Formats: sequence, structure tokens, C-alpha cells
Amino acid sequence: GNSVTQMEGPVTLSEEAFLTINCTYTATGYPSLFWYVQYPGEGLQLLLKATKADDKGSNKGFEATYRKETTSFHLEKGSVQVSDSAVYFCALRGTGFQKLVFGTGTRLLVSP
Amino acid sequence: EAGVAQSPRYKIIEKRQSVAFWCNPISGHATLYWYQQILGQGPKLLIQFQNNGVVDDSQLPKDRFSAERLKGVDSTLKIQPAKLEDSAVYLCASSFEQGPNQPQHFGDGTRLSIL
Repeated sequence: GNSVTQMEGPVTLSEEAFLTINCTYTATGYPSLFWYVQYPGEGLQLLLKATKADDKGSNKGFEATYRKETTSFHLEKGSVQVSDSAVYFCALRGTGFQKLVFGTGTRLLVSP
Repeated sequence: EAGVAQSPRYKIIEKRQSVAFWCNPISGHATLYWYQQILGQGPKLLIQFQNNGVVDDSQLPKDRFSAERLKGVDSTLKIQPAKLEDSAVYLCASSFEQGPNQPQHFGDGTRLSIL
């Protein structure tokens, strides 16, 4: 079945550092890929998405590129802020009406 | 637009008791989802409704969990009787329709603690 593997956290960075959170997936066909963010005490918010190979999703300075050859969708940001501290979930949705499958999440802690 | 509303925010019960959660999706959203998020894990889909019909309940423990979406708007999720392993955050989400690229909008969740 479909699955997502994320790097374990927490990822601890200083403000303005470069961020990478790794995500790889296993799926048949051409799934859609997503990054969601969860702030403390809140539900998940869609951060960005990509629906086909080589697509780049971007939002709020974050970006991720759908790499089919390496089955990856790594999240990057050039300069993190304290307000980016949250848990980040990589997710995929298979073709048709398949369910959304989430990774285990990666906690990001940014210090001033 | 108003987001997905869930209540209560927190619930503490003893094992073998019953509990119910309520969700009001975004107006006009036909598809409604209930997820279970255990601490340290990603959300897992329990049940998906399209209007008032069930699309997928393959991961719902039907011996103790039930859900309904009468009239195709609000939904309730019930656990009866609760077990210790049911401690989790229960998230409700909705989308305009069930297409693969339709974004899902999440509520803030109900945190359930079983004593």
C-alpha cells in the first residue's frame, strides 16, 4: 500500500538558518504530494502541494519539488523564523479517490 | 469563511465509558473526514462521508466506533465503550468534493484522554 517516510525530529535550528525536512514515499502510479503544518493546539493546515512529477509547490517561503526518480518531496526554506516552529507532515494521495496517507511528522523548533 | 468547527476541545473519560464528538464542516463542503491522531503519529483516516453516504470506513473499529452524518452537514463520531488505546486527538476535515486534488480543511480537533 501507499506509505510516507519522514525524517525523525525534532529539528532544532537558529533563526535565519536553512531548513530541509526529508520525505520519501512509496506508491503506485502518480500520487499527489502534500506538506501540512500543525501549530500547537491546532488542526492541520495545507502548506503546499504538487500533483505531478517535477512540479514545485511553494507557499510562505517554503518549497518542495516532486521528484519521481527518487520518490521524494523534501521540504525546504531558505531562512526560518521562530514562528515556523510547528510539526510538519508529508502526505500523499493516490490516483482516483484514494485516502490521504500521512507520515509521522517532523517537529521543527526555531530559536531566536 | 468560517472554518471547520469541532467540539468539545478536550474530553477526559474512564475506560469503558462512552463519548461523542461533533463536527460542523465548512458550508457547502460535500465531503467530510474523521481522523485519529495518536501522539507522535500522523493522522489516520477513520471514515469519509460524501454528503450523507459513507465512502470509506475500512479503518474504523466498527465494534466500538460509529459515525453518522444525517442530512449531509454536521457529523458525530461516537466511541462506546472506550479503551485506553483510544487516547488521541480526533480531527474532522472537510473538502468541497472528493477529488484527489481537493484540499482538505481541518478543524482544531478534540483531544481525548482515557483514564
